[in-house]
Amino acid sequence: KNQVEQSPQSLIILEGKNCTLQCNYTVSPFSNLRWYKQDTGRGPVSLTIMTFSENTKSNGRYTATLDADTKQSSLHITASQLSDSASYICVVSAPARNTGKLIFGQGTTLQVKP
Amino acid sequence: GAGVSQSPSNKVTEKGKDVELRCDPISGHTALYWYRQSLGQGLEFLIYFQGNSAPDKSGLPSDRFSAERTGGSVSTLTIQRTQQEDSAVYLCASSLAQGAVGNQPQHFGDGTRLSIL
Repeated sequence: KNQVEQSPQSLIILEGKNCTLQCNYTVSPFSNLRWYKQDTGRGPVSLTIMTFSENTKSNGRYTATLDADTKQSSLHITASQLSDSASYICVVSAPARNTGKLIFGQGTTLQVKP
Repeated sequence: GAGVSQSPSNKVTEKGKDVELRCDPISGHTALYWYRQSLGQGLEFLIYFQGNSAPDKSGLPSDRFSAERTGGSVSTLTIQRTQQEDSAVYLCASSLAQGAVGNQPQHFGDGTRLSIL
């Protein structure tokens, strides 16, 4: 079983609409949770990073929430644009012990249509 | 540019050949990571370098895989005797030192797409 599960696997929405992507994780203890955006053929780009003590963080039209008790996170995209079409990846980091190992979810593929 | 640079962007080779993939991290970033992304799969951790510390090699899938980081900057990932299952996109990332909380953002290159015939 994956330690980071994302849902839905894929999503299609109309331009201008909002959407919310989900991430459930079982990694424990954990140090921080990240959301990345990956355009086709490109490397992932960091959107937000939250430590276990934070429960929300925004980056423009992207807002991430974290509930460390239920081990759930969400990424909310407001007023979607065509350029938001990408894969969104949830990543969990265990406490660092001279290791950079991050545990990646399989991503949610978002398609924004005009 | 000032981003992470990877080369080549694409590599096609025959099964059994050795390949070398290169990563130029962002200047000043002491942490460097290699990941593998197979078609339709999430990123898989391979190896992590942090300054002069011993690298974390726990993600390397077999002894055919090795990586070096010379002078704390450029890194090469070498795959010996390539197999068809090695076909994937190999991504490199760099960051400032992670520290105790480990919340430094990683900056990714665009990867090397490796195809083994």
